[in-house]
Amino acid sequence: QAQLVQSGPDVKKPGASVKVSCEASGYSFTDYSIHWVRQAPGHGLEWMGWINLSNGYTRFSQNFQGRVTLTRDTSASTAYMELNNLGSADTAVYYCARPVPGDWYFDLWGRGTLVTVSS
Amino acid sequence: QSALTQPASVSGSPGQSITISCTGTSSDVGGYNLVSWYQQHPGKVPKLIIYEVTKRPSGVSNRFSGSKSANTASLTISGLQAEDEADYYCSSYVDSSTLVFGGGTKLTVL
Repeated sequence: QAQLVQSGPDVKKPGASVKVSCEASGYSFTDYSIHWVRQAPGHGLEWMGWINLSNGYTRFSQNFQGRVTLTRDTSASTAYMELNNLGSADTAVYYCARPVPGDWYFDLWGRGTLVTVSS
Repeated sequence: QSALTQPASVSGSPGQSITISCTGTSSDVGGYNLVSWYQQHPGKVPKLIIYEVTKRPSGVSNRFSGSKSANTASLTISGLQAEDEADYYCSSYVDSSTLVFGGGTKLTVL
């Protein structure tokens, strides 16, 4: 069945960058987009942005504009989220999520990747 | 980009009904019928329970229902059960192809 498998937990120092991967299987990769959502410990869900996996078009939350890059490797059915200039507030679980085509709700989620920013 | 406004917490006794509100603006909740609701138990991945304001995915209990009036969407859970205790998040499409979540509501079943 369809699933999204994310990369493992990571620890970064302040000012560094992190790149999280999200490998899709069980469905046609480029027929969908991928969104990225994060959740800081004890906090709510925060939408970061999305990428059209067919043409690479991206849109971002203003909160992350200029600091996040979304890419994809269609040959590997994998989407990537890179966040730069990390600070302690970026410590969070990062989720990739798949919406129904043409819609804005998520019927499939990755299990999340914990990124810890610590000196 | 401000989060949609949800109450921080709500509570109810088993068998009762509760409603969680989600207030936005005419650029998001009020402008589109693209509000969704997610349930998240501690340490778990969010689960879709309502989409397009009122629709329930297959397998979701009919005790969950959604509605919208102007800039406020609502999630109602009827016949509260202990397993409903979780965090609930609304989300909405926003002008210019972006998305926003609500701050989340912790539901306690007394």
